[in-house]
Amino acid sequence: QKEVEQNSGPLSVPEGAIASLNCTYSDRVSQSFFWYRQYSGKSPELIMSIYSNGDKEDGRFTAQLNKASQYVSLLIRDSQPSDSATYLCAVNNGYGGSQGNLIFGKGTKLSVKP
Amino acid sequence: KAGVTQTPRYLIKTRGQQVTLSCSPISGHRSVSWYQQTPGQGLQFLFEYFSETQRNKGNFPGRFSGRQFSNSRSEMNVSTLELGDSALYLCASSSDPYNEQFFGPGTRLTVL
Repeated sequence: QKEVEQNSGPLSVPEGAIASLNCTYSDRVSQSFFWYRQYSGKSPELIMSIYSNGDKEDGRFTAQLNKASQYVSLLIRDSQPSDSATYLCAVNNGYGGSQGNLIFGKGTKLSVKP
Repeated sequence: KAGVTQTPRYLIKTRGQQVTLSCSPISGHRSVSWYQQTPGQGLQFLFEYFSETQRNKGNFPGRFSGRQFSNSRSEMNVSTLELGDSALYLCASSSDPYNEQFFGPGTRLTVL
């Protein structure tokens, strides 16, 4: 059973701090990794995708991937109250012809305190 | 570019009924995936369609089915509704092979 694990939180950080969200996955052949943000009552919104080992930065967000450790993380710098949401880690199934199958973690709830 | 649209946004049905949900992907996207989201199970993959063919199917009973039309629009159908089918049903589209999936607003289904 392919799994994606996240700490459910809640993770509470003060405004302006760095929020660090972590995710591990079980399937070694996974190829693509995504972070989604979901506000309460809304649908998931894609914020980052990463495909290669290392870091990928986009504004205040940095995704980090370590395929050897089967670990992907998301750093949010200068956290704002508007970043308060549930962050979902998603991993692509990874097999040819099955790229439409994303496996999601249960999500980490982030709360940024003013 | 317009985003993914889903209709209806809300539905209330009773046990035993059937329901059809619709999804229009982002223009140019040929892959449409469906997910069910519940508080207990989180986001779970239902199925994926690409060029009118079901390419992938999750671990759901046969009561859940779908199809995709030549314009990439997709529908999913749930027959003989059960209370446990109450959930947010999400559709996502992508321009294969990059596989970044973009979600629609979802259809909130309540089964009474």
